[in-house]
Amino acid sequence: GENVEQHPSTLSVQEGDSAVIKCTYSDSASNYFPWYKQELGKGPQLIIDIRSNVGEKKDQRIAVTLNKTAKHFSLHITETQPEDSAVYFCAAGYQKVTFGIGTKLQVIP
Amino acid sequence: KAGVTQTPRYLIKTRGQQVTLSCSPISGHRSVSWYQQTPGQGLQFLFEYFSETQRNKGNFPGRFSGRQFSNSRSEMNVSTLELGDSALYLCASSPGGANTGELFFGEGSRLTVL
Repeated sequence: GENVEQHPSTLSVQEGDSAVIKCTYSDSASNYFPWYKQELGKGPQLIIDIRSNVGEKKDQRIAVTLNKTAKHFSLHITETQPEDSAVYFCAAGYQKVTFGIGTKLQVIP
Repeated sequence: KAGVTQTPRYLIKTRGQQVTLSCSPISGHRSVSWYQQTPGQGLQFLFEYFSETQRNKGNFPGRFSGRQFSNSRSEMNVSTLELGDSALYLCASSPGGANTGELFFGEGSRLTVL
Protein backbone atom coordinates (compact mmCIF):
# COMPACT_ATOMS: atom_id res chain seq x y z
CA GLY A 1 0.00 0.00 0.00
CA GLU A 2 0.86 3.67 -0.08
CA ASN A 3 3.37 5.07 2.41
CA VAL A 4 3.59 8.82 2.98
CA GLU A 5 6.46 10.41 4.87
CA GLN A 6 6.21 14.00 6.07
CA HIS A 7 8.91 16.38 7.31
CA PRO A 8 9.46 18.18 9.57
CA SER A 9 7.27 17.05 12.44
CA THR A 10 7.46 20.50 14.04
CA LEU A 11 8.26 23.87 12.51
CA SER A 12 8.57 27.29 14.11
CA VAL A 13 8.77 30.43 12.00
CA GLN A 14 8.61 34.15 12.64
CA GLU A 15 5.50 35.95 11.46
CA GLY A 16 6.01 37.07 7.89
CA ASP A 17 8.51 34.35 7.04
CA SER A 18 7.81 31.41 4.76
CA ALA A 19 7.15 27.83 5.83
CA VAL A 20 7.79 24.71 3.77
CA ILE A 21 6.56 21.21 4.53
CA LYS A 22 7.74 18.28 2.45
CA CYS A 23 6.24 14.87 1.76
CA THR A 24 7.28 11.80 -0.16
CA TYR A 25 5.08 8.95 -1.32
CA SER A 26 5.80 5.42 -2.42
CA ASP A 27 3.05 4.34 -4.81
CA SER A 28 3.58 5.63 -8.33
CA ALA A 29 -0.13 5.04 -9.01
CA SER A 30 -1.13 7.83 -6.61
CA ASN A 31 -2.73 10.68 -8.50
CA TYR A 32 -4.30 12.87 -5.85
CA PHE A 33 -2.37 14.92 -3.28
CA PRO A 34 -4.39 16.99 -0.81
CA TRP A 35 -3.18 19.08 2.12
CA TYR A 36 -5.26 19.48 5.27
CA LYS A 37 -5.00 21.94 8.16
CA GLN A 38 -6.16 20.93 11.62
CA GLU A 39 -6.73 23.57 14.24
CA LEU A 40 -6.92 22.68 17.92
CA GLY A 41 -10.12 20.83 18.78
CA LYS A 42 -11.30 20.64 15.19
CA GLY A 43 -11.26 18.14 12.38
CA PRO A 44 -8.84 18.56 9.45
CA GLN A 45 -9.92 20.92 6.70
CA LEU A 46 -8.74 20.85 3.09
CA ILE A 47 -6.63 23.88 2.20
CA ILE A 48 -5.30 22.94 -1.22
CA ASP A 49 -4.98 19.88 -3.43
CA ILE A 50 -3.18 18.90 -6.61
CA ARG A 51 -3.58 16.13 -9.12
CA SER A 52 -0.82 14.30 -10.91
CA ASN A 53 -1.32 16.10 -14.22
CA VAL A 54 -0.29 19.41 -12.63
CA GLY A 55 3.14 20.39 -11.32
CA GLU A 56 2.20 23.41 -9.24
CA LYS A 57 -0.90 25.07 -7.84
CA LYS A 58 -1.26 28.32 -5.99
CA ASP A 59 -4.00 29.86 -3.86
CA GLN A 60 -3.15 33.25 -2.37
CA ARG A 61 -0.40 32.64 0.22
CA ILE A 62 -0.27 28.86 -0.16
CA ALA A 63 1.19 26.81 -2.98
CA VAL A 64 1.84 23.15 -3.60
CA THR A 65 4.41 21.62 -5.90
CA LEU A 66 4.54 18.05 -7.16
CA ASN A 67 7.49 16.14 -8.59
CA LYS A 68 6.10 12.84 -9.85
CA THR A 69 9.47 11.51 -10.93
CA ALA A 70 10.94 11.90 -7.46
CA LYS A 71 7.60 11.21 -5.74
CA HIS A 72 7.89 14.42 -3.74
CA PHE A 73 5.33 17.10 -3.04
CA SER A 74 5.58 20.19 -0.88
CA LEU A 75 3.44 22.85 0.74
CA HIS A 76 4.67 26.43 0.76
CA ILE A 77 3.11 29.10 2.94
CA THR A 78 4.35 32.65 2.38
CA GLU A 79 3.96 35.69 4.64
CA THR A 80 2.93 33.48 7.56
CA GLN A 81 0.46 34.81 10.10
CA PRO A 82 -0.33 33.66 13.66
CA GLU A 83 -3.59 32.11 12.42
CA ASP A 84 -1.54 29.76 10.24
CA SER A 85 -0.46 27.99 13.45
CA ALA A 86 -1.95 24.48 13.24
CA VAL A 87 -1.12 20.91 12.33
CA TYR A 88 -0.77 20.30 8.59
CA PHE A 89 -1.22 16.90 6.96
CA CYS A 90 -0.21 15.85 3.48
CA ALA A 91 -1.90 12.88 1.83
CA ALA A 92 -1.54 10.82 -1.31
CA GLY A 93 -3.53 8.12 -3.03
CA TYR A 94 -5.88 7.06 -5.79
CA GLN A 95 -8.56 4.72 -4.38
CA LYS A 96 -8.11 6.08 -0.88
CA VAL A 97 -5.75 8.66 0.51
CA THR A 98 -3.00 7.87 2.99
CA PHE A 99 -2.02 10.66 5.33
CA GLY A 100 1.39 11.74 6.54
CA ILE A 101 2.10 11.97 10.24
CA GLY A 102 1.52 15.73 10.38
CA THR A 103 3.58 18.88 10.91
CA LYS A 104 2.89 21.18 13.83
CA LEU A 105 3.49 24.71 12.57
CA GLN A 106 3.96 27.52 15.08
CA VAL A 107 4.06 31.08 13.80
CA ILE A 108 5.68 33.38 16.35
CA PRO A 109 4.29 36.94 16.38
CA LYS B 1 -25.49 23.40 5.06
CA ALA B 2 -24.81 21.43 8.24
CA GLY B 3 -21.37 19.88 8.57
CA VAL B 4 -20.37 16.38 9.58
CA THR B 5 -21.68 15.56 13.03
CA GLN B 6 -20.05 13.01 15.30
CA THR B 7 -21.43 11.71 18.56
CA PRO B 8 -20.47 11.36 21.29
CA ARG B 9 -17.66 13.94 21.39
CA TYR B 10 -16.00 12.42 24.44
CA LEU B 11 -16.26 9.07 26.13
CA ILE B 12 -14.41 7.00 28.66
CA LYS B 13 -14.47 3.21 28.65
CA THR B 14 -12.59 0.46 30.42
CA ARG B 15 -10.60 -2.36 28.87
CA GLY B 16 -12.73 -5.16 27.52
CA GLN B 17 -15.80 -3.00 26.91
CA GLN B 18 -17.13 -2.14 23.51
CA VAL B 19 -18.03 1.22 22.03
CA THR B 20 -20.17 2.54 19.18
CA LEU B 21 -19.49 5.88 17.54
CA SER B 22 -21.88 7.65 15.22
CA CYS B 23 -21.36 9.89 12.22
CA SER B 24 -23.92 11.92 10.27
CA PRO B 25 -22.45 13.07 6.95
CA ILE B 26 -23.22 16.23 5.05
CA SER B 27 -26.57 15.94 3.31
CA GLY B 28 -26.15 14.37 -0.11
CA HIS B 29 -22.75 12.82 0.62
CA ARG B 30 -22.74 9.09 0.04
CA SER B 31 -19.24 8.26 1.20
CA VAL B 32 -18.21 8.07 4.84
CA SER B 33 -14.65 7.29 5.92
CA TRP B 34 -13.32 6.70 9.40
CA TYR B 35 -9.85 7.56 10.67
CA GLN B 36 -8.01 6.99 13.93
CA GLN B 37 -5.79 9.87 15.06
CA THR B 38 -3.07 9.39 17.64
CA PRO B 39 -0.09 11.66 18.39
CA GLY B 40 2.51 9.20 17.19
CA GLN B 41 0.70 7.74 14.18
CA GLY B 42 -1.12 10.64 12.59
CA LEU B 43 -4.32 9.86 10.71
CA GLN B 44 -4.78 6.18 10.03
CA PHE B 45 -7.50 4.96 7.69
CA LEU B 46 -10.00 2.51 9.17
CA PHE B 47 -12.59 2.00 6.45
CA GLU B 48 -14.80 3.69 3.90
CA TYR B 49 -18.47 3.10 3.20
CA PHE B 50 -20.27 4.12 0.05
CA SER B 51 -23.98 3.53 -0.42
CA GLU B 52 -24.07 1.08 2.50
CA THR B 53 -21.16 -1.01 1.16
CA GLN B 54 -17.66 -1.14 2.59
CA ARG B 55 -15.46 0.00 -0.27
CA ASN B 56 -12.03 0.13 1.34
CA LYS B 57 -10.52 -1.14 4.56
CA GLY B 58 -7.35 -0.25 6.42
CA ASN B 59 -5.03 -2.47 8.42
CA PHE B 60 -6.93 -2.69 11.67
CA PRO B 61 -7.93 -5.85 13.53
CA GLY B 62 -11.41 -7.31 13.23
CA ARG B 63 -12.38 -5.69 16.54
CA PHE B 64 -12.96 -2.56 14.49
CA SER B 65 -16.08 -2.69 12.39
CA GLY B 66 -18.50 -0.32 10.80
CA ARG B 67 -21.69 0.02 8.87
CA GLN B 68 -23.62 2.55 6.88
CA PHE B 69 -27.34 3.03 6.81
CA SER B 70 -29.59 3.91 3.89
CA ASN B 71 -29.58 7.58 4.95
CA SER B 72 -25.74 7.53 4.73
CA ARG B 73 -25.30 7.82 8.48
CA SER B 74 -22.51 5.57 9.68
CA GLU B 75 -21.47 3.86 12.87
CA MET B 76 -18.22 2.30 13.88
CA ASN B 77 -17.84 -0.24 16.64
CA VAL B 78 -14.79 -1.30 18.59
CA SER B 79 -15.13 -4.45 20.65
CA THR B 80 -12.94 -5.72 23.47
CA LEU B 81 -11.32 -2.35 23.98
CA GLU B 82 -7.58 -2.13 24.64
CA LEU B 83 -5.59 0.73 26.16
CA GLY B 84 -4.05 1.39 22.75
CA ASP B 85 -7.46 2.15 21.28
CA SER B 86 -7.44 5.50 23.08
CA ALA B 87 -7.53 8.02 20.26
CA LEU B 88 -9.51 10.64 18.41
CA TYR B 89 -11.79 8.94 15.90
CA LEU B 90 -12.59 11.12 12.93
CA CYS B 91 -15.31 10.66 10.41
CA ALA B 92 -15.18 12.27 6.98
CA SER B 93 -17.79 12.46 4.27
CA SER B 94 -17.52 13.21 0.57
CA PRO B 95 -19.95 13.26 -2.33
CA GLY B 96 -18.28 10.62 -4.47
CA GLY B 97 -15.62 8.84 -2.50
CA ALA B 98 -12.44 9.25 -0.49
CA ASN B 99 -10.32 9.39 -3.63
CA THR B 100 -12.37 11.79 -5.69
CA GLY B 101 -11.80 15.02 -3.86
CA GLU B 102 -12.26 16.89 -0.64
CA LEU B 103 -12.99 15.04 2.56
CA PHE B 104 -15.17 16.93 5.02
CA PHE B 105 -14.21 15.97 8.55
CA GLY B 106 -16.22 16.09 11.72
CA GLU B 107 -14.69 17.25 14.99
CA GLY B 108 -14.15 13.70 16.16
CA SER B 109 -15.02 11.45 19.05
CA ARG B 110 -12.29 11.28 21.67
CA LEU B 111 -12.15 7.85 23.24
CA THR B 112 -10.21 7.19 26.42
CA VAL B 113 -9.75 3.57 27.49
CA LEU B 114 -8.80 3.02 31.13
